[in-house]
Amino acid sequence: GESVGLHLPTLSVQEGDNSIINCAYSNSASDYFIWYKQESGKGPQFIIDIRSNMDKRQGQRVTVLLNKTVKHLSLQIAATQPGDSAVYFCAENIPGGYALNFGKGTSLLVTP
Amino acid sequence: NAGVTQTPKFRVLKTGQSMTLLCAQDMNHEYMYWYRQDPGMGLRLIHYSVGEGTTAKGEVPDGYNVSRLKKQNFLLGLESAAPSQTSVYFCASSSGQMGEQFFGPGTRLTVL
Repeated sequence: GESVGLHLPTLSVQEGDNSIINCAYSNSASDYFIWYKQESGKGPQFIIDIRSNMDKRQGQRVTVLLNKTVKHLSLQIAATQPGDSAVYFCAENIPGGYALNFGKGTSLLVTP
Repeated sequence: NAGVTQTPKFRVLKTGQSMTLLCAQDMNHEYMYWYRQDPGMGLRLIHYSVGEGTTAKGEVPDGYNVSRLKKQNFLLGLESAAPSQTSVYFCASSSGQMGEQFFGPGTRLTVL
C-alpha cells in the first residue's frame, strides 16, 4: 500500500546550524501534510502544516517545502537549538479518510 | 484549557485482563482518535470518531473496542489483553477532517 516514509532515521546537527528533515510520500492524491515534533515521553506536538496547493510555508524558525513532482516534503529548522532535539514525524491526510497517515519518524540530535 | 488528557498514564496488565483507557478533550472537537506507537514506528490508527455516538475502525482495530457516548470523551477498551498490545497509546482530537490534531500525553501499557 501507499505510505509516508522518511529518508533518514537519525540526524545529528551542531547547535546553530540549519537542519533539514526529509519525507517522501507515495500517495499522489494526498492534499494536506503536517509536521509533528515528539519529545521523549510526550505526545506529538504540531509544528507546521501545508496544503497541496502550496509549495512553501514558513513559521517561526521552520519552513516546510512541498515538491509534488517528486512527492517530497521537507522541514527546515533554522539555527537549530538543543530544545529542537526530538523525533519529527511527517503525516499526510488520507484522501477520503478522516485520519492522518504518519511516517516512522526522524530523530534529530542537536550537539553543542 | 487542559487540551487533551488521558488516564491512566501507566498500567501493567496480565494477559487476559481487561481495561479501559479514557481520553477527554475540552476543545469541543468533533473528531477524536486513538493511536498506538511502538518502538521505531510511527503512529498507527486504532479507531476514530467523527462525532458523538459514532465510531469507526482504523488501521489496527483488532483486539480493541471504543465508545463515544459524550462528545468530550473517547474510551478505548481492551477486553482480553495480549502481550502484542504492549505499547504507548495516544489519543488525539481535531475540529475537522483536515487540520491540526491535538494529542494527549499518552498511556504506557505493558501486558505481561
